[in-house]
Amino acid sequence: GQNIDQPTEMTATEGAIVQINCTYQTSGFNGLFWYQQHAGEAPTFLSYNVLDGLEEKGRFSSFLSRSKGYSYLLLKELQMKDSASYLCAVLDSNYQLIWGAGTKLIIKP
Amino acid sequence: IAGITQAPTSQILAAGRRMTLRCTQDMRHNAMYWYRQDLGLGLRLIHYSNTAGTTGKGEVPDGYSVSRANTDDFPLTLASAVPSQTSVYFCASSDGANYGYTFGSGTRLTVV
Repeated sequence: GQNIDQPTEMTATEGAIVQINCTYQTSGFNGLFWYQQHAGEAPTFLSYNVLDGLEEKGRFSSFLSRSKGYSYLLLKELQMKDSASYLCAVLDSNYQLIWGAGTKLIIKP
Repeated sequence: IAGITQAPTSQILAAGRRMTLRCTQDMRHNAMYWYRQDLGLGLRLIHYSNTAGTTGKGEVPDGYSVSRANTDDFPLTLASAVPSQTSVYFCASSDGANYGYTFGSGTRLTVV
């Protein structure tokens, strides 16, 4: 079966750095997405990785290793507004998105 | 403002009633999707449509139906609601799967 694993919840301090990991086992791979979802709101696009390596976008970076079935989202200089759930999703061989359950990130002052 | 509009925002529905959740996009995206999101679970695909006139079943299609008469609209119908269909429903669209999805603001449905 297809499976995406990410931690259920993480806690970090304002101003610090946090890394949210995602491992996947899917039938085929056509890219990996990270989305941010604030409580009671819709998911919004953060990043897309299809090749191995690190993609940096401001305070957020996303890394992919296809051989290891692994990705992480790195958030730097954490702000209180970064408190949200972070969803990992993989585009499978049929170009369908398979979603992880999400990681709830709690930022403390 | 370009995007996806869902209606209603929230609804309390008696079990056994029929309900249609509306979804309209103005981005001219070919593909549209309906997901449900439940606490502790990832987004689960109910139905999808790759282009107007075609639809397909997702991971959890039972009890739901969709239609795609034109590019902009993709309504989701619950023929006879049951309490297990209590969830938050998101409509999404895409201009090509590797460009990511744009989501509507969601419909919070409670079936009692």
